[in-house]
Amino acid sequence: AQSVTQLGSHVSVSEGALVLLRCNYSSSVPPYLFWYVQYPNQGLQLLLKYTSAATLVKGINGFEAEFKKSETSFHLTKPSAHMSDAAEYFCAVSVSYSSASKIIFGSGTRLSIRP
Amino acid sequence: DAGVTQSPTHLIKTRGQHVTLRCSPISGHKSVSWYQQVLGQGPQFIFQYYEKEERGRGNFPDRFSARQFPNYSSELNVNALLLGDSALYLCASSLGQSTTGANVLTFGAGSRLTVL
Repeated sequence: AQSVTQLGSHVSVSEGALVLLRCNYSSSVPPYLFWYVQYPNQGLQLLLKYTSAATLVKGINGFEAEFKKSETSFHLTKPSAHMSDAAEYFCAVSVSYSSASKIIFGSGTRLSIRP
Repeated sequence: DAGVTQSPTHLIKTRGQHVTLRCSPISGHKSVSWYQQVLGQGPQFIFQYYEKEERGRGNFPDRFSARQFPNYSSELNVNALLLGDSALYLCASSLGQSTTGANVLTFGAGSRLTVL
């Protein structure tokens, strides 16, 4: 069964520091992977998606993620954190079966930015 | 362009009551999916509707039901509410049925349900 695991429920970095949020996936077929961000009291916003076209995926707000098949990882990074990056981040994988399709989300990582 | 809109944004119910949540997809989107997000967890898949037909159902009891209307808007109904149904209910729309490739989900801001 396809799934994702996010390592670390809470990550805290200083403003200007590197952001690294970890995600490992489990899939028997080439996966479609996503990172979503959720700001307080808001819905989910797509940051980026991996669709096998390129292993390094660039998203919005300066975020990027690298698909590493050998490590079954899809970690999210940003070179320099900004206070506005404080939010909950979800790694997710697409699952298609019979006539349906759904997204399976990880448990989330809360990113805090220290001034 | 209007995004995915959900109503109501907040509501409070008591145990045993019934609730109806509504969702309007992005214009042109024919698929609507519902997710439940309990505080501190990732969203969990409840339903997918495409072209007015249920295409997928998550591991939720029969107290949960939904439907999609000819204009592609959707309702999520929950009967006999339990305390554990307290959550943020998210609606997402997409052009097609698949969630792969270019067909991504766009989420609404959610309806926050509190059951007392």
